[in-house]
Order: sequence, then structure tokens, then C-alpha cells
Amino acid sequence: KAGVTQTPRYLIKTRGQQVTLSCSPISGHRSVSWYQQTPGQGLQFLFEYFSETQRNKGNFPGRFSGRQFSNSRSEMNVSTLELGDSALYLCASTPRGRTFTDTQYFGPGTRLTVL
Amino acid sequence: DAKTTQPNSMESNEEEPVHLPCNHSTISGTDYIHWYRQLPSQGPEYVIHGLTSNVNNRMASLAIAEDRKSSTLILHRATLRDAAVYYCILRGFGNEKLTFGTGTRLTIIP
Repeated sequence: KAGVTQTPRYLIKTRGQQVTLSCSPISGHRSVSWYQQTPGQGLQFLFEYFSETQRNKGNFPGRFSGRQFSNSRSEMNVSTLELGDSALYLCASTPRGRTFTDTQYFGPGTRLTVL
Repeated sequence: DAKTTQPNSMESNEEEPVHLPCNHSTISGTDYIHWYRQLPSQGPEYVIHGLTSNVNNRMASLAIAEDRKSSTLILHRATLRDAAVYYCILRGFGNEKLTFGTGTRLTIIP
């Protein structure tokens, strides 16, 4: 079974631009979560989607948004990029719905650099 | 969210057991204890989880204190490939998402 895939793997943008990152979960997984990882703040939860609906949201400004498609693939969008948005963006998928024991399977991440 | 406390870093010799501690004094009755690790230049990966009883799998063992206020991840025979940041995370009712702390950076000495 293929793992979680994220595209692109690397991205360079300039301040003020917007960016869209893509995540394909493991086949059959219905929940997709997004995380931001920076040296200063560590791994921070952005949001989670389940059956095309946002189910959980972290403490990020409205410039960060996401969506999930009927095939469970997900995209996240960052508008009006700032230098501080430079980070590794990680996507994770889980098989089932709301449960405390589901394992999250992470992709390799998209490294975004904002100049 | 319930908090966990881990040492910032630890070192261990190759082929020796490693005990990674985690304190979670505010754990609630429904909180599961999860461990993930992140190898260099990779996304985190699941290691193990438990509720009350000690747990074993092919990667590690999880020892949970009787009062559940602390736990220990045990790598029975560390290899160089175990060098990673290890995260201890609580998940339960109202806290379903993974909330990563700073973790413990484990260095394996050859």
C-alpha cells in the first residue's frame, strides 16, 4: 500500500504570494490532518478534515485554509505569504473517524521557503 | 490540552537499552499515551500507544506507571537508526488531535 504522498516536496515563493500544497492519503483513509513544523515553534497542528468537512482547527490565522475532496485528497492554501510561513508542512492520514487510538501516518512533507 | 514533559535530550550507546521518560501528571482517565518519533528529514512515525497496561510491539515497549502520571518508552537494543526526536502525546475525549511538545532528541553513540 502506498504511503501518504505530498506534492510538491520543495517550494520557493516570495512574500505576498499564495501557495497550494497537496496531500494524497493512504488508500481507504478518510481523515487528513495538516501540521506546520518550524525550528522555533516545533510541530503545530493546523487543521483536520474528515469526509470533506473541517473537524478540528489549530490556532492559525485565516490566511491558512484547507479543503478535502470526495476521494479524501486534501489541499491546504496559504495566502499573502509572510517570511514566517517558511516551514515544513506535514500531512497525516488516519483510517477511521474520531478515535483516540488511530495511528496517524505522516507524509514526507513539503518544504516551503518564503523569500 | 493535557501536557507532557520530556527531557530535551538523551544519549545512549549502541546496542544498549534506552529508557525515555515522560511525565503527564494532568492525564485524564480517557487519555491514551502515544509515542511518535521523527527521524532526520522525515515526517513523524508512530511508535506505540497504551492506556493503562504495559504494551509491547516490534519497535518498543511502553511502561505506564500505576497512577498513569508518567510513562517510559523502552527501546530494548538501540541502533543508530533509532536516533530521532521522540514525542510523548496524550489523546482523549476533547483532545483527539496530536499535540506535539518539544520531545526528546535521542543520540545513539556508536
